[in-house]
Amino acid sequence: GAGVSQTPSNKVTEKGKYVELRCDPISGHTALYWYRQSLGQGPEFLIYFQGTGAADDSGLPNDRFFAVRPEGSVSTLKIQRTERGDSAVYLCASSLLAGAVEQFFGPGTRLTVL
Amino acid sequence: KQEVTQIPAALSVPEGENLVLNCSFTDSAIYNLQWFRQDPGKGLTSLLLIQSSQREQTSGRLNASLDKSSGRSTLYIAASQPGDSATYLCAVYNTDKLIFGTGTRLQVFP
Repeated sequence: GAGVSQTPSNKVTEKGKYVELRCDPISGHTALYWYRQSLGQGPEFLIYFQGTGAADDSGLPNDRFFAVRPEGSVSTLKIQRTERGDSAVYLCASSLLAGAVEQFFGPGTRLTVL
Repeated sequence: KQEVTQIPAALSVPEGENLVLNCSFTDSAIYNLQWFRQDPGKGLTSLLLIQSSQREQTSGRLNASLDKSSGRSTLYIAASQPGDSATYLCAVYNTDKLIFGTGTRLQVFP
């Protein structure tokens, strides 16, 4: 596609439930990034993939969060046993290569945990 | 640990004014720096990317400068318009990931 797409755009769930957030990067981009943006804050890094492997997952807050990119394109961010504090906008970005190369962002998924 | 700060946190100005948004970072060993715009409820739109070897970048009414030695970048907006109203985010590239500031919320009124 022309840009990074994310689905769903909005997700409302109940505390304790499992959610999956999807990201489709720009075609041909090898690097994919996940960020989380809480209300009134700047985005914070979660994890990034170079190809199929997670090159840096140092931003994942705890073991309830997990992400995969099995074929090196689409990525899924998975959150188990959701908590109210997980409510945020989850942003995905991709870049042609890894490294300090311009990242292009998707519209985000707004997650609300009730 | 790299920290990015943006001043002011919010700004409200009449249309036509020239504006300066400030961004500072604690570790001068950055690669590139990027300015983004974020409209309410939307994702990030890239405005300008300044590579570490550059001092400034310009696009239309926007000009961004970078002074690595002092840990500062400024975004200059000329002749502001109501359509410029948004949150402006500064981010530095820390090897592979972006470190963001908390943003400047700009409102330009007619």
